[in-house]
Amino acid sequence: EDQVTQSPEALRLQEGESSSLNCSYTVSGLRGLFWYRQDPGKGPEFLFTLYSAGEEKEKERLKATLTKKESFLHITAPKPEDSATYLCAVKDYGGSQGNLIFGKGTKLSVKP
Amino acid sequence: GAGVSQSPSNKVTEKGKDVELRCDPISGHTALYWYRQSLGQGLEFLIYFQGNSAPDKSGLPSDRFSAERTGGSVSTLTIQRTQQEDSAVYLCASSWDSVEQFFGPGTRLTVL
Repeated sequence: EDQVTQSPEALRLQEGESSSLNCSYTVSGLRGLFWYRQDPGKGPEFLFTLYSAGEEKEKERLKATLTKKESFLHITAPKPEDSATYLCAVKDYGGSQGNLIFGKGTKLSVKP
Repeated sequence: GAGVSQSPSNKVTEKGKDVELRCDPISGHTALYWYRQSLGQGLEFLIYFQGNSAPDKSGLPSDRFSAERTGGSVSTLTIQRTQQEDSAVYLCASSWDSVEQFFGPGTRLTVL
């Protein structure tokens, strides 16, 4: 059964304090791993897709990396506006469903 | 360009009533998904439409839930005889390649 586990559940950082969020996954065949950002009261906002181990993608202060078992979302010198819940999801090659399997998210708070 | 839109943004109903939630996908996207997000839980897949193929209904929690997609575009999720446990945010997503999914703002359903 496909599973996605995110840690920590919540993370509090001071502005400028770099850190990483973890997403561990179990799938029979990884079609893609996705990171989303979700602000309160809004739908998830697409950030990155990673397809194979060793792949990295960057966007502003965010960098996503992928291994065969987990993905990290590195946040460099975060700002208060980076505060949000970050969701990780995977898509499996197998099965008939077209859906993504989501983790429960990491709630990030960045204090000025 | 316009993103995924959903209506209404908020819906309050009484237990036992039927509700309809609407999703307008991104123009040209052939895949459409419905998810449910309950407080403290990850996104839960409900149903998936791909082009003219029969929908994947494997995530629908009971026969009170149904969805249709007319003309390969707009979709309506219907919940009959609503129960308090149906209270959640219902999210719609669309995709052009059935891999990367782009979400709407959601409909917050409250069943009293």
